[in-house]
Amino acid sequence: AQKITQTQPGMFVQEKEAVTLDCTYDTSDPSYGLFWYKQPSSGEMIFLIYQGSYDQQNATEGRYSLNFQKARKSANLVISASQLGDSAMYFCAMRVNAGNMLTFGGGTRLMVKP
Amino acid sequence: DAGVTQSPTHLIKTRGQQVTLRCSPISGHKSVSWYQQVLGQGPQFIFQYYEKEERGRGNFPDRFSARQFPNYSSELNVNALLLGDSALYLCASSFFNGLNEKLFFGSGTQLSVL
Repeated sequence: AQKITQTQPGMFVQEKEAVTLDCTYDTSDPSYGLFWYKQPSSGEMIFLIYQGSYDQQNATEGRYSLNFQKARKSANLVISASQLGDSAMYFCAMRVNAGNMLTFGGGTRLMVKP
Repeated sequence: DAGVTQSPTHLIKTRGQQVTLRCSPISGHKSVSWYQQVLGQGPQFIFQYYEKEERGRGNFPDRFSARQFPNYSSELNVNALLLGDSALYLCASSFFNGLNEKLFFGSGTQLSVL
C-alpha cells in the first residue's frame, strides 16, 4: 500500500520569502510519480509540479521546484518569492505504475503574511 | 476552453436519501476519476473510469456507484446516505491513464447530509 505523509499542518511565510513544504512517501513499487496540488478556498485542486521516480533532475515549474531525495523517500515542494495568492492548502500525492488512483497526504495550510 | 465542470455545487440531503453528482470532463479527456474529501483531510479515491469502463475502485461501500457515458461525462451515485458521507466530492479528468498523467480537477460538489 502507498502512503503520503505531510507533517506540517500549517505554516506561515513572509511575502517574497521562500518556503519549503515537506512530503515523505512510502511505496514498494519502483515506478511511481509524485505530484503537488494547490487547493484554494474555492475547492479546485490545481496541479503545480510532477516528479517521476526515474527522473534524474529535480522538477521545476516557474516559482515551484521539487526537492526529490529518493533514498530518503522525500519530495519537498519549494516555493520561491512567496506571494499573497499562494495562501492555500497544498497536497502531495503519489501514483504507482500506471495505476489509476492518486494517494494524497493530509495537506499543509500555507499562509503568506504581507 | 472549459475546465472540468461539476453540478450541483452544493447539495443538502437527509440520512437515507440518494444523491447523484455529475461531472463533465475537459473536452477530449477520456478518463474521469472521483474523489471524496472530508473536511480537514486529503482527497480519497473512489472510482476511475477510462473509455467508459471502470478501471479502479477505492475502499468505499457498495452504496457508492458510478458510470461514464459515451460523451465521457460521468455520474456518481450514493445510496442510503449517512452523516459520514458529508464531504466535498471532486471529479478529475485526464486524457490518458499514464503514470505521469496529471489530473485536472473541478471545483467539487459540497454534499451535506443532515
